[in-house]
Amino acid sequence: EAGVVQSPRYKIIEKKQPVAFWCNPISGHNTLYWYLQNLGQGPELLIRYENEEAVDDSQLPKDRFSAERLKGVDSTLKIQPAELGDSAVYLCASSYHGGGQNTGELFFGEGSRLTVL
Amino acid sequence: RKEVEQDPGPFNVPEGATVAFNCTYSNSASQSFFWYRQDCRKEPKLLMSVYSSGNEDGRFTAQLNRASQYISLLIRDSKLSDSATYLCVVDVGNTGKLIFGQGTTLQVKP
Repeated sequence: EAGVVQSPRYKIIEKKQPVAFWCNPISGHNTLYWYLQNLGQGPELLIRYENEEAVDDSQLPKDRFSAERLKGVDSTLKIQPAELGDSAVYLCASSYHGGGQNTGELFFGEGSRLTVL
Repeated sequence: RKEVEQDPGPFNVPEGATVAFNCTYSNSASQSFFWYRQDCRKEPKLLMSVYSSGNEDGRFTAQLNRASQYISLLIRDSKLSDSATYLCVVDVGNTGKLIFGQGTTLQVKP
């Protein structure tokens, strides 16, 4: 079974340019997360979707970041315009959350490493 | 105060040593707790869940102390392959919002 697929793996852009990341979760997983991870830090939650609904986007810097999960399957995360401080690894994860139970097992993609020059 | 806090380390230990990591959380309504492992430049992967009664998986033991709001991970008989970053994860307020700690780096040396 295919895991969480993310693209691109690496992206180098100049500041003020736009960038977009794509994520395809594991089939059947209704919950999708976008995390940002800086070197030496743990992943920081940006946004969480349950199906197509963003149930928690309180950590998403909405002035420059946007995300969507059309049809409740794959998702895109966009930054426009990018700033130097946005250089990080953007991780997508998926899980199945239902029936009041949370197994806590997130399946992560390999991440998209962004460098802003 | 951060929702989930860990000592970043690094912990440098010899092979065969026993090492323990702690993690504190701020939301007393949290019900679900986990330890993840992350190898260098790789994605995090679930190591084990943490149950109220404590649980063991081979050389790894996880415990929860609700009164003091911390969880722990004990690794016995450390192997070189245990070298990684260990991330504490809390389902904050039992909402499905999974928050990661900063991670604790373990380096096991021959």
